[in-house]
Amino acid sequence: AQSVTQLDSQVPVFEEAPVELRCNYSSSVSVYLFWYVQYPNQGLQLLLKYLSGSTLVKGINGFEAEFNKSQTSFHLRKPSVHISDTAEYFCAVSDNNAGNMLTFGGGTRLMVKP
Amino acid sequence: DAGITQSPRHKVTETGTPVTLRCHQTENHRYMYWYRQDPGHGLRLIHYSYGVKDTDKGEVSDGYSVSRSKTEDFLLTLESATSSQTSVYFCAISEATGSNQPQHFGDGTRLSIL
Repeated sequence: AQSVTQLDSQVPVFEEAPVELRCNYSSSVSVYLFWYVQYPNQGLQLLLKYLSGSTLVKGINGFEAEFNKSQTSFHLRKPSVHISDTAEYFCAVSDNNAGNMLTFGGGTRLMVKP
Repeated sequence: DAGITQSPRHKVTETGTPVTLRCHQTENHRYMYWYRQDPGHGLRLIHYSYGVKDTDKGEVSDGYSVSRSKTEDFLLTLESATSSQTSVYFCAISEATGSNQPQHFGDGTRLSIL
């Protein structure tokens, strides 16, 4: 069975500082990885996805993530955050044994301070 | 944004009453999902549908039932609501069968059971 761990429940950071949100997964087969963002009182929006190919994936709003198979990680990064990036971020994994099923991590609340 | 409408957006009800949440899509996507979101747990799959009248259980299906009589509508029913079912409920859709297909989410229904 697949599982996802987001190691930090909250990450406070000052505006214009870099940020990394950590995600580790476990799966016995090849995986597909996703990062979603949730702004207050809204649904989840897809930030980026890793399906295959290059391990560095670029997404919307200046975010990127790197797939590291040996460390079973898919950390999300942004070199300079804005106040508007304040939101909750979810890492999710799917694999061919799971069909269309996504398993989500518990979420990381990014709090950008002025 | 994907054409997904959840109704109602907010509901307060009493323990023991039946509750039905509706998800309506205009994308003609084959797959539809119901999740619940609780602090620290991310999103957990309740039930999903892979076509009209084709549904299956997810991770936390106890106490919930679903129906899909039309491609565009997926209903979630709590036959006899309990306080443990107080949560935010999200509907999602995806187009194809592969596990590499991203899901698109509605804006959620906040359900409080007193």
